[in-house]
Amino acid sequence: KQEVTQIPAALSVPEGENLVLNCSFTDSAIYNLQWFRQDPGKGLTSLLLIQSSQREQTSGRLNASLDKSSGRSTLYIAASQPGDSATYLCAPPANQAGTALIFGKGTTLSVSS
Amino acid sequence: NAGVTQTPKFQVLKTGQSMTLQCAQDMNHNSMYWYRQDPGMGLRLIYYSASEGTTDKGEVPNGYNVSRLNKREFSLRLESAAPSQTSVYFCASSDMGQGVDEQYFGPGTRLTVT
Repeated sequence: KQEVTQIPAALSVPEGENLVLNCSFTDSAIYNLQWFRQDPGKGLTSLLLIQSSQREQTSGRLNASLDKSSGRSTLYIAASQPGDSATYLCAPPANQAGTALIFGKGTTLSVSS
Repeated sequence: NAGVTQTPKFQVLKTGQSMTLQCAQDMNHNSMYWYRQDPGMGLRLIYYSASEGTTDKGEVPNGYNVSRLNKREFSLRLESAAPSQTSVYFCASSDMGQGVDEQYFGPGTRLTVT
């Protein structure tokens, strides 16, 4: 059964810092992994989708990497801003045959100005 | 292009009452999902529909039923609501047609059962 762990659970940084959010998963037979952002009381916004054939995917100040062999993914946020404050969720599929996602409990980020 | 829409946004039920949560997507996706989100538990899959005409149980299906009405719509029904079903419910959709299976989520329904 796929299990997802996100470290740290919470993170507070001053504006401008570069930071890394970590995600580990137990079943590495996956074909992609998705990172989401969730603002308080809101729905989930897809940030990045990494295919198993890719090692990295970039969108603006966000860069996500995927290492299937070690069961890890990282989300790198460059030059953090107060608007980046949110909970970030990592979600691989349940297994290679499944399309439903298994979610970590997230990393709650607070960026102060 | 509205993406994934859910109704209602908020609902309060009494124990034993029934209700149906509605979900629709306008992206022509084949697959649709229902998740619930609880504090400290993260998001968990209730039911999913890989394609029109099929539905399958997820991690926490007890107390729920679903209907894939057509390709656009996927509803979640609570037949006899219980306080343990107080949660935020999210609908999502995706499509493997392009070899990519990115999931898109609706805004959620916040349900309280008293």
